Amino acid sequence: AQSVTQLGSHVSVSEGALVLLRCNYSSSVPPYLFWYVQYPNQGLQLLLKYTTGATLVKGINGFEAEFKKSETSFHLTKPSAHMSDAAEYFCAVSDRASYDKVIFGPGTSLSVIP
Amino acid sequence: EAQVTQNPRYLITVTGKKLTVTCSQNMNHEYMSWYRQDPGLGLRQIYYSMNVEVTDKGDVPEGYKVSRKEKRNFPLILESPSPNQTSLYFCASKTSGVNTGELFFGEGSRLTVL
Repeated sequence: AQSVTQLGSHVSVSEGALVLLRCNYSSSVPPYLFWYVQYPNQGLQLLLKYTTGATLVKGINGFEAEFKKSETSFHLTKPSAHMSDAAEYFCAVSDRASYDKVIFGPGTSLSVIP
Repeated sequence: EAQVTQNPRYLITVTGKKLTVTCSQNMNHEYMSWYRQDPGLGLRQIYYSMNVEVTDKGDVPEGYKVSRKEKRNFPLILESPSPNQTSLYFCASKTSGVNTGELFFGEGSRLTVL
């Protein structure tokens, strides 16, 4: 069965530092890949997604992610962290065979230190 | 404004007292789903619906019921709540089909069962 792992349940970075949140999936067939963000007391919203085409995907708020098939990874990055980036981040995958089934990773809580 | 609306946002109840969490979307989405969010476990799917009168179990359906009589509504029913159903619940919707789109989430319903 498809699974998603996120290395590090909690990540802390200084304001202005690089943000790197890791995501790996288990499928041998590249799935659709998503990153969602959850701000405190809110629902999840889409940051970015990869379906086909260019493997470097740009999203909202300066985030981007790169799909690496050989590493079965879809890590999320942002060059310079801002205090407003503090949130919970979820990687999710959707199998190309059953595209309506979305599986979420356990989430990574990002703290930004002034 | 495109949105998914859940009610109630907060609820404290006692074991065995039936309750319903409502979910409504105004985007004419075919697909709707319920998730529960627990620390360290990410989002786990409870039930989903591909369209009116079509529902199916997700990964953790025990103790829950759903119905989809109208396209816009997808209520979650707890017939006899138990303390292990204390959780944060999210309703989500999206278009269905091969060109799978993002999930749109409600703001969540925090349920406490005493």
